[in-house]
Amino acid sequence: AQSVTQLDSQVPVFEEAPVELRCNYSSSVSVYLFWYVQYPNQGLQLLLKYLSGSTLVKGINGFEAEFNKSQTSFHLRKPSVHISDTAEYFCAVSGPRTGNQFYFGTGTSLTVIP
Amino acid sequence: DSGVTQTPKHLITATGQRVTLRCSPRSGDLSVYWYQQSLDQGLQFLIQYYNGEERAKGNILERFSAQQFPDLHSELNLSSLELGDSALYFCASSVAGLSEQYFGPGTRLTVT
Repeated sequence: AQSVTQLDSQVPVFEEAPVELRCNYSSSVSVYLFWYVQYPNQGLQLLLKYLSGSTLVKGINGFEAEFNKSQTSFHLRKPSVHISDTAEYFCAVSGPRTGNQFYFGTGTSLTVIP
Repeated sequence: DSGVTQTPKHLITATGQRVTLRCSPRSGDLSVYWYQQSLDQGLQFLIQYYNGEERAKGNILERFSAQQFPDLHSELNLSSLELGDSALYFCASSVAGLSEQYFGPGTRLTVT
């Protein structure tokens, strides 16, 4: 089965500093990759997705992620974070071989410090 | 607003009871997914329906069941409730099985 590993459960970062949230998945074969954000007491919102094509994907709110097939990674980055970016971030994978399932990571809690 | 609606928003019930959570997918989406989110288990996939048929099953307990109706809305039934079933239950929908999912606001279930 497919699996997703988010290497950091908590990431504190100062406002206006860059941030990288790490995500690795278990299979390099035909995967679709997603990052979601969950603000307190809300549902998950899609930040960005990789289905095919360019390995650098740009999403909403200034976030971007890079698909690295050789390292089976899909790390999320933002060059300058804001207080409003404080939230839980989830990496997810699906694909033709996941049996129609989405596999979510355990989440990374990003805290932006003023 | 994702376009996915869930009712009720909050539900408080006692152990041993049965509840039904309802989800209406985005217009045009045929797939519906149910997830459970708790502090100790994280986000757990429960079950997926596609156009009325069960497509994938995750960590869903036998006490739980779901269905998707001809108008594509879905219901998640939780019975013989235990304290440990207290969680946020999310519904998500997608156009097809592998495309991005859109999440509803969730139903917070509290079992006392």
